[in-house]
Amino acid sequence: GAVVSQHPSWVICKSGTSVKIECRSLDFQATTMFWYRQFPKQSLMLMATSNEGSKATYEQGVEKDKFLINHASLTLSTLTVTSAHPEDSSFYICSARDPLGPGLAGGPTGETQYFGPGTRLLVL
Amino acid sequence: RKEVEQDPGPFNVPEGATVAFNCTYSNSASQSFFWYRQDCRKEPKLLMSVYSSGNEDGRFTAQLNRASQYISLLIRDSKLSDSATYLCVVIGYSSASKIIFGSGTRLSIRP
Repeated sequence: GAVVSQHPSWVICKSGTSVKIECRSLDFQATTMFWYRQFPKQSLMLMATSNEGSKATYEQGVEKDKFLINHASLTLSTLTVTSAHPEDSSFYICSARDPLGPGLAGGPTGETQYFGPGTRLLVL
Repeated sequence: RKEVEQDPGPFNVPEGATVAFNCTYSNSASQSFFWYRQDCRKEPKLLMSVYSSGNEDGRFTAQLNRASQYISLLIRDSKLSDSATYLCVVIGYSSASKIIFGSGTRLSIRP
């Protein structure tokens, strides 16, 4: 299947610093990427939908000024956690849809989500 | 009511057993359904899609019941390597629709 990479895989930083996480689709062009956050023993929570060339769409309760998303190209989206605090420590995962990828019976193409390996953020 | 609900488990079953999980969804307009597997500290990986007619992949069988709005996953002859968290995923009626994850069901297979 398609490959999505994330960098860095883990980061430890001091409270108040900003952290940038990159998400790349390696063998397909993703017009839409998604950013999730997962706290221990909880499900993935969608933070925002990142659309190439336009502003991201944030989920309710997610501060857009704190979690800056940039989707400058069809293969790269970045999430910047600004002025990170300990409560921002989490597992951040991106995913991307391959718009030309396999479709499902009865459904539109490009529905399969390909996930990045995730980034563990620890804010001290 | 949550949009997608799963029994969190944990399900603790012996190797070789058959185990089944359900996942209910609230939006009747939902179009696409998936089961993902997530190992500890790893990203989710697609296990299988769920078709209206049901589908089987080796020891795994997925079913969709639109009338009752739930999907199920059946694992036969469970292996130790099946221990993981299983997430159900529901997508709305278009490819631009929001993707909703269930909270996951933890499965632990014991020797």
